[in-house]
Amino acid sequence: DSGVTQTPKHLITATGQRVTLRCSPRSGDLSVYWYQQSLDQGLQFLIQYYNGEERAKGNILERFSAQQFPDLHSELNLSSLELGDSALYFCASSVIAGGRGGELFFGEGSRLTVL
Amino acid sequence: AQSVTQPDIHITVSEGASLELRCNYSYGATPYLFWYVQSPGQGLQLLLKYFSGDTLVQGIKGFEAEFKRSQSSFNLRKPSVHWSDAAEYFCAVGLNTDKLIFGTGTRLQVFP
Repeated sequence: DSGVTQTPKHLITATGQRVTLRCSPRSGDLSVYWYQQSLDQGLQFLIQYYNGEERAKGNILERFSAQQFPDLHSELNLSSLELGDSALYFCASSVIAGGRGGELFFGEGSRLTVL
Repeated sequence: AQSVTQPDIHITVSEGASLELRCNYSYGATPYLFWYVQSPGQGLQLLLKYFSGDTLVQGIKGFEAEFKRSQSSFNLRKPSVHWSDAAEYFCAVGLNTDKLIFGTGTRLQVFP
């Protein structure tokens, strides 16, 4: 158990809909990362927050947004969903930013299926 | 452009055989280097990491990796593979920024 909690574990929805994925980081971790894992794109970095502020942005679509709340949990909002958005979405947390040598602790992911 | 390459998409080995998974990076400076493992249905878990110093680093589950600056490589090795090592392995690099970049992964299959 990494200490990172993601909900829901599985989600099935239709094209055009909007969903929210939730992540609770490990106790004490200020950084939260979102990654998308799909068969054709591999593990893609979406966005990182540190103590409520956006710190780094990756290949995140404009239809996607995220935020980190004062209690440090984070939400990833996916809107106008397309079939290609079907993927496993991982949240990770760390004390020190991964790019600066910190270890990332991953949740078990939220599997999104868009029909 | 900055990149992390894992040239082997899929590797199959027999149980008890040795293993080497390749990772190459393209950066101007020496980055922070990591290997993560993802078991089926699970998130990623850190196996080992290299920051500086001894270029041979030991990790969990009997894995080790060697940093070779001249080859821009950070290959993962294990002398004797167990069936439970079947998983997907990701190399990752950090360049002293907030972002951590992962390679495309190598899927390891172990035959009894």
